[in-house]
Parts: sequence; C-alpha cells; structure tokens
Amino acid sequence: DSGVTQTPKHLITATGQRVTLRCSPRSGDLSVYWYQQSLDQGLQFLIQYYNGEERAKGNILERFSAQQFPDLHSELNLSSLELGDSALYFCASSPLGDSHNEQFFGPGTRLTVL
Amino acid sequence: EDQVTQSPEALRLQEGESSSLNCSYTVSGLRGLFWYRQDPGKGPEFLFTLYSAGEEKEKERLKATLTKKESFLHITAPKPEDSATYLCAVRTILTGGGNKLTFGTGTQLKVEL
Repeated sequence: DSGVTQTPKHLITATGQRVTLRCSPRSGDLSVYWYQQSLDQGLQFLIQYYNGEERAKGNILERFSAQQFPDLHSELNLSSLELGDSALYFCASSPLGDSHNEQFFGPGTRLTVL
Repeated sequence: EDQVTQSPEALRLQEGESSSLNCSYTVSGLRGLFWYRQDPGKGPEFLFTLYSAGEEKEKERLKATLTKKESFLHITAPKPEDSATYLCAVRTILTGGGNKLTFGTGTQLKVEL
C-alpha cells in the first residue's frame, strides 16, 4: 500500500458525460501527478500540481482539467467523454515538486465510456 | 522528445532461471531513471531510482544498473510471485520547474514452476 488513495475504483459512464476522479496523496506529500494508462499508449503524464498550484502540463486534452485543494487532495475532471477516454487513471504523489523525490502511485480509477 | 524502449516485451522464465530486462532511453537532461512493478489492474509499485551511470541498487532478487544509455533489471533465481509487468521510466524537468515521468511500455514477466 503506497498511501495514495483514489476514488472511485471503477466508473462506467456514457459518451458526452462528465466525471470527477479524486486523489488523496500520501500524508505530507505536497505534489500530485495524474497519469493515463491505455492499452495502446501505455502510461502518459497528464498534469502536476504542487501545493495547490499547477506546476507542469503534459498531454492533457482541453476537455480535461484538474485542481489541487488546500487539504492537498486533487480532482481530475473529464468532460464531453469519448470512447477513447476509456483507460486507467492514476494519481501519484511525492513530498516536493522537484526532481529529488520518488513518485508513489495510487491504485487507479478504471474509467469505461460506453 | 524523450523516449524509453523496453525489451523484451514479454519474458517467460522457469523458477530459478535468472535473466535481465533492458531499458534503453533517449532524454535531454536525465533526472533519474525509475523501475516500477505493476500487477494487473493495480498501480505501479516503486522499486528503484538510479541517478548516475555506474550506480546499482538491489532489493531481494532484483538488481538495477544504469549506464549512459540504458538500464538493466537483473532478476536472480525468480519465483512465481515475481510475475508482473516491469516498467522503466525517466524523469525530466519541465518549464516552470515541474517534472514528469516518461514510461516505456513494459516487460511482462511470467515465472513458472
């Protein structure tokens, strides 16, 4: 158990809908990262937050957005969902936002878009 | 663009049969090479971080090594519980001070009795 929690574990929804994925980092970690894992693309970096502020952006679609709250939990919002958005979404956390810390991953949320 | 290539894609070993997994990378400004283990439907589990060529780290039956262009994960006398997908990733610094991991597609290891 990494100490990172994610809810829900599974999510099934329809195309065009909007969903929110939630992540709680390890106790004391200030930085949260979101990754998407699909069968054809592997694990892809989406976005990083550090202490409430966006720190880095990867291949995140405009239909997707994220935020980190004062208690350091983070939410990833996915809107206008398409079939191709079906994937595992992972959150990871690290103590700081720099290059000297390991990233510890949560158990993931499996999103299925029908 | 950062690239990470892992080989082989899949590996089947008999219990006790040692082998190595390869991770070759192309990155500007490496800030760490990571190995993770991932079981089906689970999140990646951190194994090792290597920072400089020549560095080695060990944990139980696993040993990770790093050169300037590649990393190896050596598995000595594997057991069935070592069966998993092993992921390699490189960390790079992004504009604004953030960082990201770029992952390879993994090596799916199966260890049989």
